[in-house]
Amino acid sequence: EIVLTQSPATLSLSPGDRATLSCRASQSVSSYLAWYQHKPGQPPRLLIYDASNRATGIPARFSGSGSGTDFTLTISSLDPEDFAVYYCQQRSNWPLTFGGGTKVAIK
Amino acid sequence: DVQLLESGGGLVQPGGSLRLSCAASGFTFTNHAMNWVRQAPGKGLEWVSGINNFGGSTYYADSVKGRFTIARDNSKNTLYLLMNNLRPEDTALYFCAKDLSFNFNYFDSWGQGTLVTVSS
Repeated sequence: EIVLTQSPATLSLSPGDRATLSCRASQSVSSYLAWYQHKPGQPPRLLIYDASNRATGIPARFSGSGSGTDFTLTISSLDPEDFAVYYCQQRSNWPLTFGGGTKVAIK
Repeated sequence: DVQLLESGGGLVQPGGSLRLSCAASGFTFTNHAMNWVRQAPGKGLEWVSGINNFGGSTYYADSVKGRFTIARDNSKNTLYLLMNNLRPEDTALYFCAKDLSFNFNYFDSWGQGTLVTVSS
C-alpha cells in the first residue's frame, strides 16, 4: 500500500499568513493526489484533485502542485475559516490511502 | 443539492454485525462510484471500501477485507456497508462519500457520518 506522509503535523500561523503543507508518497502516484479540508463536526471538503485542479467552489487562494512523490498545498493568505486539518489522498493504487493530516492552527 | 444521509450505526459487541446505509439524493446515482471512509476517535481519515457505479467492482482496505461487504441498490439510490466480525478497532465515525465521477476515486460530497462503537 502507498503510504502518504504529511508534514508538518501542526502549522501555527496567523490570519493573512501563507501556509505551505507537504505530502510525500512512498512511491510515485503520478498526479493522482487530492487535498481535503476537515473541520470538527463537519464532513471533509474536497479542495484539490489530480494534484493541481481546484474543486468546484474552492477559492483561488488554495493551490496544489507536485507530481510523482512530492506534493504541496499552498494557501496564499489564510482566512479565519481556513484553520482546520488538511489531508492528502492518493488514487494511483488500491487501496486508496490518506495521509495522517496537517493541522493548521491559529498562532 | 447533493445529500447523503447515513444510518445504521450504534453500539455492538465484538464479533457482532451491523449494516450501514447511505441514502443519496440530488444527483444521478448511477453516474458515480461510492465509498465509505471512517475516522476513529482522535485519528485521521481512513478509506474503507468503494464500489463502482453499477456495482460490478468492489474494493476494500486490508483492515476490513473478508469482514465488510459494500453494496448498492441503484433502484433505491442507496449505498450499504455490511460489517461482520466487528472489532474494537472498527470503532469510528463512518462517512458515505460520493465520487467525482464513475471511477475518479476522489470524494466531492460527504454525509455527516454515522457512529459505530464496538465494545463489550
